[in-house]
Amino acid sequence: GAVVSQHPSRVICKSGTSVKIECRSLDFQATTMFWYRQFPKQSLMLMATSNEGSKATYEQGVEKDKFLINHASLTLSTLTVTSAHPEDSSFYICSAFGTIITDTQYFGPGTRLTVL
Amino acid sequence: RKEVEQDPGPFNVPEGATVAFNCTYSNSASQSFFWYRQDCRKEPKLLMSVYSSGNEDGRFTAQLNRASQYISLLIRDSKLSDSATYLCVVMVGGGADGLTFGKGTHLIIQP
Repeated sequence: GAVVSQHPSRVICKSGTSVKIECRSLDFQATTMFWYRQFPKQSLMLMATSNEGSKATYEQGVEKDKFLINHASLTLSTLTVTSAHPEDSSFYICSAFGTIITDTQYFGPGTRLTVL
Repeated sequence: RKEVEQDPGPFNVPEGATVAFNCTYSNSASQSFFWYRQDCRKEPKLLMSVYSSGNEDGRFTAQLNRASQYISLLIRDSKLSDSATYLCVVMVGGGADGLTFGKGTHLIIQP
């Protein structure tokens, strides 16, 4: 299956700092990338959808100024959590959908963010 | 009403037994259905897609009932390695739409 990487896998930061998470599709071109968040014992919740070269579409309740998404190329999307607070601590997972792989999305390994 | 509902379990099942999970979804416009497996603190991995005609992959069988908006997963001859959380996942449009996840059903296979 397709391979999606995420970096970093784990981040611990102080409250108020910004954290950037990268998501890369390694062997296919991802026309669309998705960012999800999963709190402990909860389901994955879609945060935003990003299409290469255009602005991301955010789900209701997700602050676009806090979670900055850039999808500058067909293989890279970044999520920046600005001025992170302890309540932003979560498991952030990206997924990618490409024109070749059409049945579903493939997930990155996730980034565990802990804000102190 | 939650969009995708699953019994969270846990299901404690002896090795070798057969276990079945169910899932219901609320959006009748949903087009694609999947079962994902998620191990503790890992990303979800696609287990299988679910088709109206039903489909089987080794020990795993998935069924879809569109009229009842109901999806099932059957695991036969369960192995210790099957212990995981099984996520019922629904997509409304094509692959370029976000996925809607259930909270998952936690399965524990006991030796």
